[in-house]
Amino acid sequence: AQSVTQPDIHITVSEGASLELRCNYSYGATPYLFWYVQSPGQGLQLLLKYFSGDTLVQGIKGFEAEFKRSQSSFNLRKPSVHWSDAAEYFCAVGARSGATNKLIFGTGTLLAVQP
Amino acid sequence: GAVVSQHPSRVICKSGTSVKIECRSLDFQATTMFWYRQFPKQSLMLMATSNEGSKATYEQGVEKDKFLINHASLTLSTLTVTSAHPEDSSFYICSAREPGDYGYTFGSGTRLTVV
Repeated sequence: AQSVTQPDIHITVSEGASLELRCNYSYGATPYLFWYVQSPGQGLQLLLKYFSGDTLVQGIKGFEAEFKRSQSSFNLRKPSVHWSDAAEYFCAVGARSGATNKLIFGTGTLLAVQP
Repeated sequence: GAVVSQHPSRVICKSGTSVKIECRSLDFQATTMFWYRQFPKQSLMLMATSNEGSKATYEQGVEKDKFLINHASLTLSTLTVTSAHPEDSSFYICSAREPGDYGYTFGSGTRLTVV
């Protein structure tokens, strides 16, 4: 069965420090992978996505993620965190169920940014 | 980019009444939309997949008669919570599959409180 694991429930980093959020997936074929960010009481905003090609994907707000098939991982990185990056981050894998593709989400990582 | 509008953003209803939530794709046609439920500090749980012109596909454990989904046009899907009870209080989010590109756009969510 398809699944997504985000091992870190809560991460705190200092403003200006680098960030890496971990994501591991289980999927029987080449996955479609996504990272979304959610501010409190809001919907989800797409940061970046991987379908195929270059395994290092650039996204919005200075984020990037690297697809590593051998490790079944799609970790999100940012070289220098800003206070406005504090939010919940969700990794998701696109799964096919019958004729419909649907997203399976990880449990999320809550990022806190210290001044 | 693609925009999905979800209304209302917040709704309070009395126990036993029904409430309808709308999800509209504003600048693209969405043959498939998805409805999620999110409990506080938890991930998104897919409730159902809404297909234009056909019956929705519900995930296991989701009550079809409680959560009525109608996808009457290529730009509108509605979720009706029937005979709402306090345990139905939650954050509901819709998303629409973007045409061509394998992506999903999310609405801003609806906070339902049943009193």
